[in-house]
Amino acid sequence: DAKTTQPTSMDCAEGRAANLPCNHSTISGNEYVYWYRQIHSQGPQYIIHGLKNNETNEMASLIITEDRKSSTLILPHATLRDTAVYYCIVRVATGGATNKLIFGTGTLLAVQP
Amino acid sequence: NAGVTQTPKFRILKIGQSMTLQCAQDMNHNYMYWYRQDPGMGLKLIYYSVGAGITDKGEVPNGYNVSRSTTEDFPLRLELAAPSQTSVYFCASSYSDRGTEAFFGQGTRLTVV
Repeated sequence: DAKTTQPTSMDCAEGRAANLPCNHSTISGNEYVYWYRQIHSQGPQYIIHGLKNNETNEMASLIITEDRKSSTLILPHATLRDTAVYYCIVRVATGGATNKLIFGTGTLLAVQP
Repeated sequence: NAGVTQTPKFRILKIGQSMTLQCAQDMNHNYMYWYRQDPGMGLKLIYYSVGAGITDKGEVPNGYNVSRSTTEDFPLRLELAAPSQTSVYFCASSYSDRGTEAFFGQGTRLTVV
């Protein structure tokens, strides 16, 4: 199973881009990279996912390196409401093609005014 | 659509008591999950289900049981509550096993005293 490594915490100034890195050096070819975030005491919220190409939606951009061993989540204009724990997850597949979302400890992003 | 609904939101149990945490989704999702989150920690997968009648263990299944008699409902049963089960419990669902997002409920905060 691929594991992910993220920094424990990061700061970002309000209005600036927040770049959250994630290492997943043992990822296999058919595993997706997912990003979720959890605002204090709430259920996790899906942000974005990708397989090999860069992806963008209304919330964020996901940049995946060509060798797929790392990725970066980009919040283009961080606001105070983006303060949360951000989880980078590689979707795990077991024998029955059942994918389980396994969470690590994530990165606490603190957006500063 | 209500999404994923968890009840109750809060509960205090005495050691040895039993209870069922309810989870319902109205999105016709096949996949459902139960997680627990201890203070300051990431989410740990307890049990998951790939469809009605099919369940399997996650990372931390001891002390819990689940059933999946319908697509909509995925209750989590605690038979003999212990202080170590004090946690916030999150239920989630997703349409398929890859390439799709998971939707989370707002959590049940359980205290065992």
